[in-house]
Amino acid sequence: DAKTTQPPSMDCAEGRAANLPCNHSTISGNEYVYWYRQIHSQGPQYIIHGLKNNETNEMASLIITEDRKSSTLILPHATLRDTAVYYCIVFKAAGNKLTFGGGTRVLVKP
Amino acid sequence: EPEVTQTPSHQVTQMGQEVILRCVPISNHLYFYWYRQILGQKVEFLVSFYNNEISEKSEIFDDQFSVERPDGSNFTLKIRSTKLEDSAMYFCASSEALNTEAFFGQGTRLTVV
Repeated sequence: DAKTTQPPSMDCAEGRAANLPCNHSTISGNEYVYWYRQIHSQGPQYIIHGLKNNETNEMASLIITEDRKSSTLILPHATLRDTAVYYCIVFKAAGNKLTFGGGTRVLVKP
Repeated sequence: EPEVTQTPSHQVTQMGQEVILRCVPISNHLYFYWYRQILGQKVEFLVSFYNNEISEKSEIFDDQFSVERPDGSNFTLKIRSTKLEDSAMYFCASSEALNTEAFFGQGTRLTVV
């Protein structure tokens, strides 16, 4: 699976949009970009995924660059409950395991 | 909303003892997984299971580990002879199909003393 690079931490103001970057320059054509988060020591929670097109759901938006070498997860209005470690994972279409890296530790401040 | 449930939430066991961690995946899901997270470290893949057999396993998943789907609803992870280094959070997950999102349970904290 392609490797991902994320900043280790970032702060965000409550009510503002949080933009979380992820580099995946070695991604191949059949690999998806998945985002999960882990709040404290709870189980990882699925957020969103995409292949080429931008995606939006009730939790977040995912913007993937045209060359697919990077992506940005957007939390449109961060709340204190969004404080978590966010993982960007590149996932092979025919695979069935997630490889978690270090993620980005996001702290939402009042 | 359907969810993956794991029991117990916390298990303390003596070194060398066998332990079974239990999971009830989401009912229409066909793929099942175990992951673990040692305190302060990354979430690590252990094993995936489909159609009553292991489809992939990591180097961590050695002969001391086994998985089973004993009936139509449960999915279990057995560690035959626990070691101190098996202490970790163990997460069960399930997905509807290959390369669809996996949903995780809240985990079982295993403490080996």
